[in-house]
Amino acid sequence: GAVVSQHPSRVICKSGTSVKIECRSLDFQATTMFWYRQFPKQSLMLMATSNEGSKATYEQGVEKDKFLINHASLTLSTLTVTSAHPEDSSFYICSASTSGNEQFFGPGTRLTVL
Amino acid sequence: DAKTTQPPSMDCAEGRAANLPCNHSTISGNEYVYWYRQIHSQGPQYIIHGLKNNETNEMASLIITEDRKSSTLILPHATLRDTAVYYCIVRVASGGYQKVTFGIGTKLQVIP
Repeated sequence: GAVVSQHPSRVICKSGTSVKIECRSLDFQATTMFWYRQFPKQSLMLMATSNEGSKATYEQGVEKDKFLINHASLTLSTLTVTSAHPEDSSFYICSASTSGNEQFFGPGTRLTVL
Repeated sequence: DAKTTQPPSMDCAEGRAANLPCNHSTISGNEYVYWYRQIHSQGPQYIIHGLKNNETNEMASLIITEDRKSSTLILPHATLRDTAVYYCIVRVASGGYQKVTFGIGTKLQVIP
């Protein structure tokens, strides 16, 4: 149980285009989902926290208009990187949690912007 | 969340026990110690957590000092598949909405 999936696992896009990444909790309902970004040889950096049906809370320095987060249901959250640029190339990871203590992480999405 | 300190890297011979230390001297009374690991190019994987008692599960053991200022994650018989970055995190456990802050972790290399 407690499986989180992400789609796509890998995406390559041209500079200026938008990319949507999906995060799904497959066998549980997630009241809260988190989005992280990880650059090579660095740790995970939290980007935003989203609760189902409400606006996401962004960490300092993360542009909310560039990284659009939608948490429309208890099993799905999406992150859209708008007008992507090469510096947005990174490993994006989501996690999902219930009202319990655990966070369950997705496998990550590798974004490469050319 | 309290800050943790871990050695940046460690080596361990295959089949031997891997002991990964973590200092969390500013931990609060309601904060748990969590351990995750991240295998290259994958999402983090939960390993174990504890409050003050030692804990054991099928993956590892967690030893927390009596003053709770440090802990050790023990992989009893390390295999090559245990090569990963291990993160020690302290956080309150009052709901999954609590965000997790990752440090740099310890890169464990299991050597054949």
